[in-house]
Amino acid sequence: DAGITQSPRHKVTETGTPVTLRCHQTENHRYMYWYRQDPGHGLRLIHYSYGVKDTDKGEVSDGYSVSRSKTEDFLLTLESATSSQTSVYFCAISELATRLAANEQFFGPGTRLTVL
Amino acid sequence: DQQVKQNSPSLSVQEGRISILNCDYTNSMFDYFLWYKKYPAEGPTFLISISSIKDKNEDGRFTVFLNKSAKHLSLHIVPSQPGDSAVYFCAARMYSGGGADGLTFGKGTHLIIQP
Repeated sequence: DAGITQSPRHKVTETGTPVTLRCHQTENHRYMYWYRQDPGHGLRLIHYSYGVKDTDKGEVSDGYSVSRSKTEDFLLTLESATSSQTSVYFCAISELATRLAANEQFFGPGTRLTVL
Repeated sequence: DQQVKQNSPSLSVQEGRISILNCDYTNSMFDYFLWYKKYPAEGPTFLISISSIKDKNEDGRFTVFLNKSAKHLSLHIVPSQPGDSAVYFCAARMYSGGGADGLTFGKGTHLIIQP
C-alpha cells in the first residue's frame, strides 16, 4: 500500500467554522490531489498540486483552499464550512504523468466530514 | 454535465460467471481511461487502464475494451469472485501537459457477486 494517511478520519463541525484536512505521504510523489465523493456524483477533483507551493484548481474548487509547504503534506481548508461541503474527502498522489502514460493515482483512506 | 457516465448503479453476477461493467464518455479529448475499485470505508484502488490508441488491455482476470468511435469502454472480470464485490469507478484523463492528471470519474457501479 502506498504510504498515504489522512487526518482526521472523521469530523463533525458546525456551519461557518473553519476546517483543515491533512494529507500526508511517505512516497515522495510530486503530485497530490484532493477529491470529494458524494452520492450520485462519483469523485470530483477539488484542487491539485504539482510541487511545493504549486497548486491549481479542479472542477469543484469554490469554498476550498489548499497549501503545500512540504512535499509530503497537502492541506485542504474550508474557510467557512457549509452543509453542502458534507462529504467524504480523498487525497491522492501520483508520479509524473506524460502524454504516453497516465500514471495511476494512489488514494488515501478518506476523511468523512459532516457539517451541521 | 457528466462527461463520464456509468449508467448502471448496480450489477449482480453469480460467482464464476463474467462481470461486464460499462462506461460511456462524451469528451473526445480524453486520452486515457482507468478503472478503480472501492471497498466501503477505504480509498479507491487502481485496477487497470487503457490508452485511447488501443482497443484492449488485459491483466489477469481483468480486461478493458475501448470502442473509441462509440465513446464506450467496458471492464470484463472473468471469472467473478466474491472478493470482487465492490464499487467500480470508471475514470478518464485529458492530458494537460503539466504532469498532473486530474481525473474525471463516473458515478460508479456497485458489483455484487452472489455465491
